[in-house]
Amino acid sequence: GQQVMQIPQYQHVQEGEDFTTYCNSSTTLSNIQWYKQRPGGHPVFLIQLVKSGEVKKQKRLTFQFGEAKKNSSLHITATQTTDVGTYFCAVSSGNTGKLIFGQGTTLQVKP
Amino acid sequence: DAGVTQSPTHLIKTRGQQVTLRCSPISGHKSVSWYQQVLGQGPQFIFQYYEKEERGRGNFPDRFSARQFPNYSSELNVNALLLGDSALYLCASSSRSSLYGYTFGSGTRLTVV
Repeated sequence: GQQVMQIPQYQHVQEGEDFTTYCNSSTTLSNIQWYKQRPGGHPVFLIQLVKSGEVKKQKRLTFQFGEAKKNSSLHITATQTTDVGTYFCAVSSGNTGKLIFGQGTTLQVKP
Repeated sequence: DAGVTQSPTHLIKTRGQQVTLRCSPISGHKSVSWYQQVLGQGPQFIFQYYEKEERGRGNFPDRFSARQFPNYSSELNVNALLLGDSALYLCASSSRSSLYGYTFGSGTRLTVV
């Protein structure tokens, strides 16, 4: 079945440093979604990318969808302690409503 | 507007017992999905219901079942609980399809002892 691999699994950064997580697939993706889950919380939808080469920005967050639609990245500029959490990429599968989640990247930010 | 609400928030059950988890979607959302999240992993898809019909089922045993009611709320039932069923169970609602992103509830933390 379809899988998405997410790296790295963990990332520790100093506050103010940048952070990037990557999501890769061996098959072409119709779309990709990104979610953030704070410690002890639930996933919160951040964004969806659909078009090849698409780039979207939300304040300090930049989301990219690869030209071949097989990979995606989330980049955070100048991390803050409020960015702490696990970031998941997810792919929707057909019309079943099924989301396939990556393993997640857990971000720790040292103040 | 209320978000996705789930009950109960925490639950402790004994092996072999049965459990029912409840979810109320955002008003106007007709799609409800259930996910299981084991500690340290991403959520795993269990079921999706749209307009009271099952639209998708994940790779879970028949001990797991669900239904959606006329008001679009949903229940997830798990029979013959195993220790491995201990997890956070998340409900998510969407207005149409997953293409618009899902809103997740806070989840039910199930512990099987």
